[in-house]
Amino acid sequence: SQQGEEDPQALSIQEGENATMNCSYKTSINNLQWYRQNSGRGLVHLILIRSNEREKHSGRLRVTLDTSKKSSSLLITASRAADTASYFCATIYNFNKFYFGSGTKLNVKP
Amino acid sequence: KAGVTQTPRYLIKTRGQQVTLSCSPISGHRSVSWYQQTPGQGLQFLFEYFSETQRNKGNFPGRFSGRQFSNSRSEMNVSTLELGDSALYLCASSPGQTSYEQYFGPGTRLTVT
Repeated sequence: SQQGEEDPQALSIQEGENATMNCSYKTSINNLQWYRQNSGRGLVHLILIRSNEREKHSGRLRVTLDTSKKSSSLLITASRAADTASYFCATIYNFNKFYFGSGTKLNVKP
Repeated sequence: KAGVTQTPRYLIKTRGQQVTLSCSPISGHRSVSWYQQTPGQGLQFLFEYFSETQRNKGNFPGRFSGRQFSNSRSEMNVSTLELGDSALYLCASSPGQTSYEQYFGPGTRLTVT
């Protein structure tokens, strides 16, 4: 399977703490993206990192990509209760063929 | 711009029936992808259409099919429904060029009894 796998499966933290989620994949990719899903709704795109990039920032989000280890991490700094959601990494092949990982369920306690 | 819309939002069908789900992409987007989400299997890619042609396909049986119209709207059809087809079906659109971010609709919740 080419799917990414997220780790941990679930994460519970206090508001204000940082949350780190990891994603591993199996084959070469065009790019990797992170998405958020709130409670059974559609996914929302967070950030895209291309295969030739190593790190990218967007607001409180920081994504790293290590193509030699076939892994990526998503860091959410100063988390808020509103960040409570499931987070998925998506690896992209063949132009627009997306494979989503199993997701990390993040719970931020107020 | 209006977001991706999916109809219907909820659907209950009986095993053996068929169902058609509809997706209207963001205006100007030419690529539409479909996904099935279940608690056990997670998010699985069904297929992607670009300019009325199926460009990518996942590993689903032939009971799952789709099409895209000239206005980029897309439908997916599931024939001979099985209990295991109960899932949230998500549609996503993108401009259609290489590996752009996808914009997801709210999904159609299908329950097969």
